[in-house]
Amino acid sequence: SQQGEEDPQALSIQEGENATMNCSYKTSINNLQWYRQNSGRGLVHLILIRSNEREKHSGRLRVTLDTSKKSSSLLITASRAADTASYFCATDERDTGRRALTFGSGTRLQVQP
Amino acid sequence: DTGVSQDPRHKITKRGQNVTFRCDPISEHNRLYWYRQTLGQGPEFLTYFQNEAQLEKSRLLSDRFSAERPKGSFSTLEIQRTEQGDSAMYLCASSLVSPSRGTGELFFGEGSRLTVL
Repeated sequence: SQQGEEDPQALSIQEGENATMNCSYKTSINNLQWYRQNSGRGLVHLILIRSNEREKHSGRLRVTLDTSKKSSSLLITASRAADTASYFCATDERDTGRRALTFGSGTRLQVQP
Repeated sequence: DTGVSQDPRHKITKRGQNVTFRCDPISEHNRLYWYRQTLGQGPEFLTYFQNEAQLEKSRLLSDRFSAERPKGSFSTLEIQRTEQGDSAMYLCASSLVSPSRGTGELFFGEGSRLTVL
């Protein structure tokens, strides 16, 4: 089963604009991670935020986490055509005992040059 | 290249045949995961190993699926009597885990795409 649900499912923006993707999840977590996937390729880790953190930055990426609402957002600033990809949130569940990440269904981002 | 490698990258088979995928993780990683991904969906967890021990299997992993990780190194995922519904990308990932850190970053291979005719 997939815990995270990303919103929107698809997003199309112009180069230079910011892209915001949201993720909601259902269970308590140890951490939440965001991954990127180019078409037909494997996933690449972008950023990890722990349950006791509220915001984290990495280059043009900004991630927020609200554990009370069980939600996270990924902001990509000053987007580039090369940012075109699918983006997935993944949760490390705390109470289920699972020791594998549970992925959401993804947001497909298209950045128009 | 010291990343996660998967073989083959593409496999086309006829329904009812058996297929096997191989994954070579990053050498110092102690955990190895198998996920399945269908078009337009996120990866779905299948199973994972801590060293050579298979510690969890998803209900998605029917009795036609078997995974091994002999000697805690490479892993194989075998699907017996393939069905058209098995068509998907099979992704392998590895990680280095410590008890205090929980499940950290996963390093994925490029995947093995299976098409069952």
